[in-house]
Amino acid sequence: EDKVVQSPLSLVVHEGDTVTLNCSYEVTNFRSLLWYKQEKKAPTFLFMLTSSGIEKKSGRLSSILDKKELFSILNITATQTGDSAVYLCAVVNAGNNRKLIWGLGTSLAVNP
Amino acid sequence: DAGVTQSPTHLIKTRGQQVTLRCSPKSGHDTVSWYQQALGQGPQFIFQYYEEEERQRGNFPDRFSGHQFPNYSSELNVNALLLGDSALYLCASSWQVIPYNEQFFGPGTRLTVL
Repeated sequence: EDKVVQSPLSLVVHEGDTVTLNCSYEVTNFRSLLWYKQEKKAPTFLFMLTSSGIEKKSGRLSSILDKKELFSILNITATQTGDSAVYLCAVVNAGNNRKLIWGLGTSLAVNP
Repeated sequence: DAGVTQSPTHLIKTRGQQVTLRCSPKSGHDTVSWYQQALGQGPQFIFQYYEEEERQRGNFPDRFSGHQFPNYSSELNVNALLLGDSALYLCASSWQVIPYNEQFFGPGTRLTVL
């Protein structure tokens, strides 16, 4: 059965710290991996990764995919209180239905 | 340009009742997907509508049904509500089925079943 596992489930850091969030997957017919940030309600799209070793970067956030070891990491440098959110990882199964398989998320709290 | 909108914001129902949730996609989008997110869980895919037809479906019982209208808006109906149906229901829209990187989520409807 396809699954996506995120770790840690919860993380508390101080402003200015750097954090690394992990997402590992076992999915037949992998197509792509997506990262979302969910604050109050609607998840907002961060990155889509399809190729190994190519870093995607947006400001203080960056992400990379390793298709051999079946995982991705999301890095946030110089964290701010506004980074506090649940970070969700989802993998697209490239089979007939192209389903999104979601992880449970990592809850990040950044304290001032 | 309005993004994805959902109504109502919050809803409280009792077991056995029926509920209808509504979603208007972002302007220019024609595909609507519905997700159920229980507290502390990732979103679970319910189904997806494109061209007024259900195109894909997740592992949800027939109590969950939907509809898409010619203006691309969509409804999610849940019959015979159970306590376990309490969750945040998210709607996401995109231009056609495939580009998940361009899938935008609405603010969700928080359903509480008592």
